[in-house]
Amino acid sequence: GQNIDQPTEMTATEGAIVQINCTYQTSGFNGLFWYQQHAGEAPTFLSYNVLDGLEEKGRFSSFLSRSKGYSYLLLKELQMKDSASYLCAVMDSNYQLIWGAGTKLIIKP
Amino acid sequence: GAVVSQHPSRVICKSGTSVKIECRSLDFQATTMFWYRQFPKQSLMLMATSNEGSKATYEQGVEKDKFLINHASLTLSTLTVTSAHPEDSSFYICSARDSAASGGPGETQYFGPGTRLLVL
Repeated sequence: GQNIDQPTEMTATEGAIVQINCTYQTSGFNGLFWYQQHAGEAPTFLSYNVLDGLEEKGRFSSFLSRSKGYSYLLLKELQMKDSASYLCAVMDSNYQLIWGAGTKLIIKP
Repeated sequence: GAVVSQHPSRVICKSGTSVKIECRSLDFQATTMFWYRQFPKQSLMLMATSNEGSKATYEQGVEKDKFLINHASLTLSTLTVTSAHPEDSSFYICSARDSAASGGPGETQYFGPGTRLLVL
């Protein structure tokens, strides 16, 4: 079966760094995505990785290792507005997104 | 960036009535749109893939006669929840794939703001 695993909840301090991990087992692989979702709102696109390595976009970076079926989202210089759920999703061989359950990130002052 | 709108943003209806939700791509053409449902504290669940000019593809367990999808143009898809019941209360989100954009499928799929449905 297809499976995406990510921690249910994480807590971090404002100004610090947090890493949210995602492991996956899917039928084929056409890229891994990270989305941010604030409560009551639709997800917003953060990053897309299809090749191994680190992609950096400002305070957010995403890493992928296809051989290990592993990705992480790294958030630096955390701000209170970063409190949200972070969804990991993998596009399978049929170009459909398989979603993780999301990681709720709580930022404390 | 590309914008996807949904209307209405929130709807309250009586049990047994039908509700139509519109999803529009405002500045790009979308041959493919996706409809998701999200229950509180749960991840997105893909309901169906909507293809312009053809029948939608429904995920297993989603009743096609209850959730009617029409994708009549390259910028509009509609989801009609027929004979809604309280258990249909949920957050319905559409996303649209930009037909013309290049460079990574992730950057070519955009989400609407969602429609919150409450069935009394």
